[in-house]
Amino acid sequence: RKEVEQDPGPFNVPEGATVAFNCTYSNSASQSFFWYRQDCRKEPKLLMSVYSSGNEDGRFTAQLNRASQYISLLIRDSKLSDSATYLCVVNAPYSSASKIIFGSGTRLSIRP
Amino acid sequence: DAMVIQNPRYQVTQFGKPVTLSCSQTLNHNVMYWYQQKSSQAPKLLFHYYDKDFNNEADTPDNFQSRRPNTSFCFLDIRSPGLGDAAMYLCATSREAGNSPLHFGNGTRLTVT
Repeated sequence: RKEVEQDPGPFNVPEGATVAFNCTYSNSASQSFFWYRQDCRKEPKLLMSVYSSGNEDGRFTAQLNRASQYISLLIRDSKLSDSATYLCVVNAPYSSASKIIFGSGTRLSIRP
Repeated sequence: DAMVIQNPRYQVTQFGKPVTLSCSQTLNHNVMYWYQQKSSQAPKLLFHYYDKDFNNEADTPDNFQSRRPNTSFCFLDIRSPGLGDAAMYLCATSREAGNSPLHFGNGTRLTVT
């Protein structure tokens, strides 16, 4: 089992739709969680950190479910500009240090 | 206002010819990372520095080396590039290892001919 798993997609949804992605992680001791957005041939950019209580930033809502070991990202009223790959990132204890682990990303395509 | 800067954006090198990629940061972050990303794959961590302490990933080939002469700069040296080393190389920083998010540079796309 991969340490961090995401549905690769692609998700193809119409503009204005609501879309949600999940990301599961295997290490129950994982400590911090992030969603990054990556446009084609560009670097990943931090979209939002994911807090235990859940957090919202405009049209974006992130949730953490520690019991089931997954995080989610909800995008409401999707825009054409939301088309990108969304990377789930988990920081997990590993031996005596911590390790940042990327999911392989979920591709989202918004159509007019 | 670029905070993590990578040079060059595009690098072409010949098979077996050493190449150096550079990264600088204005964030004064303690940790600097080098990732390799191939098409449709997740970024793969090659190594990172916590301050001056170098941490190599177990599966990073010996062909890849790194230097961090000071807080602001970090270099990735590929001693003998192979065709399989063609990829996007991403430098990232974080304030601390662990709970701090990563800040990425805009990457260097390496082509090996």
